[in-house]
Amino acid sequence: GDSVTQMEGPVTLSEEAFLTINCTYTATGYPSLFWYVQYPGEGLQLLLKATKADDKGSNKGFEATYRKETTSFHLEKGSVQVSDSAVYFCALRDPGTYKYIFGTGTRLKVLA
Amino acid sequence: ETGVTQSPTHLIKTRGQQVTLRCSSQSGHNTVSWYQQALGQGPQFIFQYYREEENGRGNFPPRFSGLQFPNYSSELNVNALELDDSALYLCASSGGQGHEQYFGPGTRLTVT
Repeated sequence: GDSVTQMEGPVTLSEEAFLTINCTYTATGYPSLFWYVQYPGEGLQLLLKATKADDKGSNKGFEATYRKETTSFHLEKGSVQVSDSAVYFCALRDPGTYKYIFGTGTRLKVLA
Repeated sequence: ETGVTQSPTHLIKTRGQQVTLRCSSQSGHNTVSWYQQALGQGPQFIFQYYREEENGRGNFPPRFSGLQFPNYSSELNVNALELDDSALYLCASSGGQGHEQYFGPGTRLTVT
C-alpha cells in the first residue's frame, strides 16, 4: 500500500543554518504531496503542497519540489529561525480515495 | 471565519469505558476526517465523512465509529477503550473530498 518515509530526527541546527528534511513516498497513481507542521500542544498546520510532478510548493521560506522520478518531496529552507522549531510531517493524498497518509514526523530544534 | 474546533481538549478514561469526541468543521466545509496520533508518531487515518456518509476507513476496528450531522459537525465514538487507545485524536475538515484539509487542535485521550 501507499506509504511515506521521512528522515529520523531530531534535527538540531543553529539559527540561520540551511535545512533539509528528506521525504520519499510509495504510491500507486499520482498522489498530491504535503508538508504539515505541528507546534507543541497544537494540531497540524498545512505548510505547503504540490499536486503534480515538478510542482514546487513554497511558504514562509520553506520549499519542496515534487520529484516523480525519485518519488521524493524534500523540505528545504535557506535560513532557519528559532521559531521554526516544531515537528514536520510529510504526507500524501491518494487520488482515488482522498485518504491522507503521513510519515512519522521529524522534530526540528533550532538553537539561538 | 471560524476554524476547526474540537472538544474536549483533554480526557481521562478507564479501560473498558466508552468515549465520544466532538468536532466542528470549518464554515463551508462538508467533509470531516478523523485521525489518531500516538505519541511520537504521525497521524493515522481512522475514517472520513462526506455529507453525512462514511466514505473511507483506515485499519481501525469497528469499536471506532462516527457520525456526521446535517451541519457537518462530527463525533468520534470509541467503545471498550484499551490502553493503546491513548493518543491525540485529530479532526480535519475540507470543502470537498479532494480539497485541502484543515486540522483542529486535537483531543488528548488518556486511558488508564
